[in-house]
Amino acid sequence: DAGVTQSPTHLIKTRGQQVTLRCSPKSGHDTVSWYQQALGQGPQFIFQYYEEEERQRGNFPDRFSGHQFPNYSSELNVNALLLGDSALYLCASSSTSGGGRDTQYFGPGTRLTVL
Amino acid sequence: AQKVTQAQTEISVVEKEDVTLDCVYETRDTTYYLFWYKQPPSGELVFLIRRNSFDEQNEISGRYSWNFQKSTSSFNFTITASQVVDSAVYFCALSEARQAGTALIFGKGTTLSVSS
Repeated sequence: DAGVTQSPTHLIKTRGQQVTLRCSPKSGHDTVSWYQQALGQGPQFIFQYYEEEERQRGNFPDRFSGHQFPNYSSELNVNALLLGDSALYLCASSSTSGGGRDTQYFGPGTRLTVL
Repeated sequence: AQKVTQAQTEISVVEKEDVTLDCVYETRDTTYYLFWYKQPPSGELVFLIRRNSFDEQNEISGRYSWNFQKSTSSFNFTITASQVVDSAVYFCALSEARQAGTALIFGKGTTLSVSS
């Protein structure tokens, strides 16, 4: 049973560029959440997708957008990259079958470096 | 507002020592969920335990045990007879029982170093 997968593993971009990160949820999961983890900090919630719609959003600017596809996979897009966007981006999947309160399982993350 | 505080930034122990990681949370909800995750150097967050706010029973799983006390808003994690493989960053997290979304609010983490 495959866990949560993310691609790419590492990415280097320059300021002002745009980036797309991808996530495939664990088998049987229908909800995907994205988190940003700066060095030495705990993960910060960006947003959550369910049924192809953004269900909840954290305190991140509109430069951060996402999408969920019919197969439950998801993309995180960041426009106009800033140096401060350098971080580990974590994707987590969960299931709504348990009343929506199921545990989130995380992928290995994408390390984004903005130069 | 919801908040998770892990006051211990770093802890260093020698193998076979017991170690307790502290977690204090704040929430206005009466129903909520608490979690512990482990993040080894590889970076992936590994789920360890989930506890519902209405279940204050402590739990033991092998060398791991968790002490949940609503009266002090604490959810502490103890590793008995620590091993080098326990070296990692440990995060405590809180999720409120909302209809719209289940965001996890994380503490800043405690880095545990176990030496042989």
